[in-house]
Amino acid sequence: GAVVSQHPSRVICKSGTSVKIECRSLDFQATTMFWYRQFPKQSLMLMATSNEGSKATYEQGVEKDKFLINHASLTLSTLTVTSAHPEDSSFYICSAPLAKAYNEQFFGPGTRLTVL
Amino acid sequence: AQSVAQPEDQVNVAEGNPLTVKCTYSVSGNPYLFWYVQYPNRGLQFLLKYITGDNLVKGSYGFEAEFNKSQTSFHLKKPSALVSDSALYFCAVRDTGNNRKLIWGLGTSLAVNP
Repeated sequence: GAVVSQHPSRVICKSGTSVKIECRSLDFQATTMFWYRQFPKQSLMLMATSNEGSKATYEQGVEKDKFLINHASLTLSTLTVTSAHPEDSSFYICSAPLAKAYNEQFFGPGTRLTVL
Repeated sequence: AQSVAQPEDQVNVAEGNPLTVKCTYSVSGNPYLFWYVQYPNRGLQFLLKYITGDNLVKGSYGFEAEFNKSQTSFHLKKPSALVSDSALYFCAVRDTGNNRKLIWGLGTSLAVNP
């Protein structure tokens, strides 16, 4: 099956710093990737759709200047949390759909962000 | 509007008993339906999907799901639960717009008691 990796798996940072999270499709090309946020024991919240070679599409209520997304290649999307605050602490998960699998989404293992 | 409902926040079942995790959906046209499982502090893993064909779909780890068009349901089932099945289960349907998104249920926490 298709594999998606995420790095780092866990990051702790100080308030006011920026953190970059990488999402890679290892064995397929992904023109689209999705970024989710998940609070403890809660559902997934879609933050944005990352589009290779063009601007990301953000969901309503998600600050695009706060959560910068770059999809520079067919296998890599990055999410940068700028000027992080404790309320940004969360579990961030990326996924990539595979067209030949009816757009079944393949998920990265997630990144646990803790902002002190 | 398109939506997915998982009516139970939590399901408890004894090991060895059959389990059912419920999901209903609302979408125009023919639905593409998915079940995913999430173990603690992990990403989501695909369990099974319904695209077309047989209403009973078999998936990973002994799980299966039955697509019922008249009831707009896609309940997840397993004949004999294992303690290791304890996890968070998500049902999803593909958005019918041209955006490749999935519309997610809120998740059901399954606890299998030894």
